[in-house]
Amino acid sequence: KQEVTQIPAALSVPEGENLVLNCSFTDSAIYNLQWFRQDPGKGLTSLLLIQSSQREQTSGRLNASLDKSSGRSTLYIAASQPGDSATYLCAVENSGTYKYIFGTGTRLKVLA
Amino acid sequence: SQTIHQWPATLVQPVGSPLSLECTVEGTSNPNLYWYRQAAGRGLQLLFYSVGIGQISSEVPQNLSASRPQDRQFILSSKKLLLSDSGFYLCAWILGTGEVRQFFGPGTRLTVL
Repeated sequence: KQEVTQIPAALSVPEGENLVLNCSFTDSAIYNLQWFRQDPGKGLTSLLLIQSSQREQTSGRLNASLDKSSGRSTLYIAASQPGDSATYLCAVENSGTYKYIFGTGTRLKVLA
Repeated sequence: SQTIHQWPATLVQPVGSPLSLECTVEGTSNPNLYWYRQAAGRGLQLLFYSVGIGQISSEVPQNLSASRPQDRQFILSSKKLLLSDSGFYLCAWILGTGEVRQFFGPGTRLTVL
């Protein structure tokens, strides 16, 4: 059974820092991995999608990498801003299921 | 462009009362549809998913049921709510034909008293 873990659970950093959020999964037979952002009381917004044949994806100040063999993904946020404060969730789709398994998220606070 | 709607946005219901939450998707056809619940301090739990009209798969045995009466409409129901049904309910969709990015609605906050 696929399990997804995110470390740390919470993180507080000063504005301008580069930071790394970690996601690990137990079953390496994944098709896709997505990183989402969730603001308090809101739905999830898709940030980056990495397909199994890819090693990384970039969007603006965000870069996500995927290492299937080790069951890990990282989300790198460059030059963090207070507006980046939110909960970040990763989710993996096991091969061909169209069902995503979610981690419990990392709650990020960027201090001005 | 595609959009997804959920209503109501918030709901407070007494224990034992019925429930109906609605989700509709615009701008796409034949999507895969999903209901998730997010309890306080916990991750997203997949409750139901549907690959087509009338096709519902349940992921977790519980007090809830789902229906898909139309291609772009997904309904979450209960005949009698329990305290443990409180949470944030999210509807999501995937196009399912090669595009696997998942998109979420704004959610419904349900409080059962």
